[in-house]
Amino acid sequence: AQSVSQHNHHVILSEAASLELGCNYSYGGTVNLFWYVQYPGQHLQLLLKYFSGDPLVKGIKGFEAEFIKSKFSFNLRKPSVQWSDTAEYFCAAKLTGKLIFGQGTTLQVKP
Amino acid sequence: SQTIHQWPATLVQPVGSPLSLECTVEGTSNPNLYWYRQAAGRGLQLLFYSVGIGQISSEVPQNLSASRPQDRQFILSSKKLLLSDSGFYLCAWSVQVGNTIYFGEGSWLTVV
Repeated sequence: AQSVSQHNHHVILSEAASLELGCNYSYGGTVNLFWYVQYPGQHLQLLLKYFSGDPLVKGIKGFEAEFIKSKFSFNLRKPSVQWSDTAEYFCAAKLTGKLIFGQGTTLQVKP
Repeated sequence: SQTIHQWPATLVQPVGSPLSLECTVEGTSNPNLYWYRQAAGRGLQLLFYSVGIGQISSEVPQNLSASRPQDRQFILSSKKLLLSDSGFYLCAWSVQVGNTIYFGEGSWLTVV
């Protein structure tokens, strides 16, 4: 079955630490990839997306993600996190017309 | 600009009671519409999606159903709620040929 997996369920970092959240999908065909973020008390919003072209995608607020086709991965990175990055992060993949989400990763940044 | 609204925002219902969550999209025509559920520790699960009026695809077996009586209206229903139906329900839309999906504010359902 098609699925999206996020490796870390709960991550705690100090401010200025580097962040990498793992995401893998199980589908061998064409796939569009997304990262969504949900800040406390707010809607889910799009952080960045990959459709084609440069596999290194830059999003809002200093986030980036790298698509590695051979590893079926789309990991999210940020070199230096801030307290305001505390949120829940969802990886998603559009597979055969449907958007499938990972389980989500809760990021807690300590000031 | 396009907007999406869903209601009610919070709902507490007894086991066995019916459910109706409504969602409307404005500013676009013929959108793809989705219902997701976010249960604690389980991420976002796609429940239903619709590519047009009266066209509903169900992703998981359950006692929930969805209907699309109008182009920009999507309704999530149940005849008899179970405790396991508790969760955060999100309506969402995307353009037919696009890929980015936009979410509503969400509805908290607690079944007691």
